[in-house]
Amino acid sequence: DVKVTQSSRYLVKRTGEKVFLECVQDMDHENMFWYRQDPGLGLRLIYFSYDVKMKEKGDIPEGYSVSREKKERFSLILESASTNQTSMYLCASSPGTGGDEQYFGPGTRLTVT
Amino acid sequence: SQKIEQNSEALNIQEGKTATLTCNYTNYSPAYLQWYRQDPGRGPVFLLLIRENEKEKRKERLKVTFDTTLKQSLFHITASQPADSATYLCALDVMNTGFQKLVFGTGTRLLVSP
Repeated sequence: DVKVTQSSRYLVKRTGEKVFLECVQDMDHENMFWYRQDPGLGLRLIYFSYDVKMKEKGDIPEGYSVSREKKERFSLILESASTNQTSMYLCASSPGTGGDEQYFGPGTRLTVT
Repeated sequence: SQKIEQNSEALNIQEGKTATLTCNYTNYSPAYLQWYRQDPGRGPVFLLLIRENEKEKRKERLKVTFDTTLKQSLFHITASQPADSATYLCALDVMNTGFQKLVFGTGTRLLVSP
């Protein structure tokens, strides 16, 4: 079974802090994705990566950056956390290009106070 | 503008009935459409994928239809059970500069009562 793990289930940070969210997948997938999920807005794509050291902006990249130094690991970085970044963050991976299902991690609920 | 819409109101049905959920979209040309199930506090789990040239796909008690003229997908759960209670998300699989990109609807919550 594919497993996608995220470093924390719950996280509380202060405004202005630098925040790292880590995601690891164990199935040698090419693609990895970071989403945030908010009530009434659904899942929105922040960044994705199709190869090591490669990244592409999603629909809402402002205030975020990412890092993919190894194939299995994709990190989301909030350079200076703000209260409007309080959300559920979901990581996903998929094997290749279009038509592949995405496998999601359990999510990290981040609260910025 | 591009939109993907699912009924935001919860769907309440009785056990044993067929649940039908709707996904409508505008100004997209998806190559595939996917359906996911999400339980509270968990990540979505993939259920079914249907291609643009397929009209219908089945898997056990699940059936998905895809009408690219109407720009609509219907998701059916037959003989529904209380364990089917969850939020169901549709996702359009649109290519972005050659790479997979999923655009998700906001989901419809299904409640199946005994």
